[in-house]
Amino acid sequence: NAGVTQTPKFQVLKTGQSMTLQCAQDMNHEYMSWYRQDPGMGLRLIHYSVGAGITDQGEVPNGYNVSRSTTEDFPLRLLSAAPSQTSVYFCASSYSKPGQGRGYEQYFGPGTRLTVT
Amino acid sequence: GDSVTQMEGPVTLSEEAFLTINCTYTATGYPSLFWYVQYPGEGLQLLLKATKADDKGSNKGFEATYRKETTSFHLEKGSVQVSDSAVYFCALSAPIGGAQKLVFGQGTRLTINP
Repeated sequence: NAGVTQTPKFQVLKTGQSMTLQCAQDMNHEYMSWYRQDPGMGLRLIHYSVGAGITDQGEVPNGYNVSRSTTEDFPLRLLSAAPSQTSVYFCASSYSKPGQGRGYEQYFGPGTRLTVT
Repeated sequence: GDSVTQMEGPVTLSEEAFLTINCTYTATGYPSLFWYVQYPGEGLQLLLKATKADDKGSNKGFEATYRKETTSFHLEKGSVQVSDSAVYFCALSAPIGGAQKLVFGQGTRLTINP
């Protein structure tokens, strides 16, 4: 298993440009999510999905869109990049529902470091 | 709302020293608790977890006990190695919609000197 993969690893954008961060997992996990990591703030949830065709907002969704057309893929779109979106982005996946007895472990991808100038 | 507070870093220790990284939480209900580790240039990896009060999670010599009475989940290791240098995140699971999300502390950077 490749686990959770993310592309690209690094990206530099100019203000106003758009782009898509890719995320894929091969563990047949229902739940996928996107976090951003900023210094001194831990990780914050941007968007999440509990299955194909179902997405919802997390804590910091503004400026980002997601879709989930397949179980494997969960791309994150930046509509019009802003310097405040400079961050490291992590995709994660897990079995979704509580009560499945798995202790809700999330598996993280290696991250995408994004700089917006 | 739910939150996690970790001791501020950075923390610098010598090899074979005893490690404690404090973590306290605020939550409604009974969350599962986690410690994740992030090595330089990598994503987060689950280090250990505990799903109910008084459970002890352990892995790679690290331990943490779920203390409901003090709302704490402190990470400990008896003898650290240079290879333990990383950023450590305490986290809890919280309900969101029909699933669970992770709420993270701010992270503690640990450096071990030989």
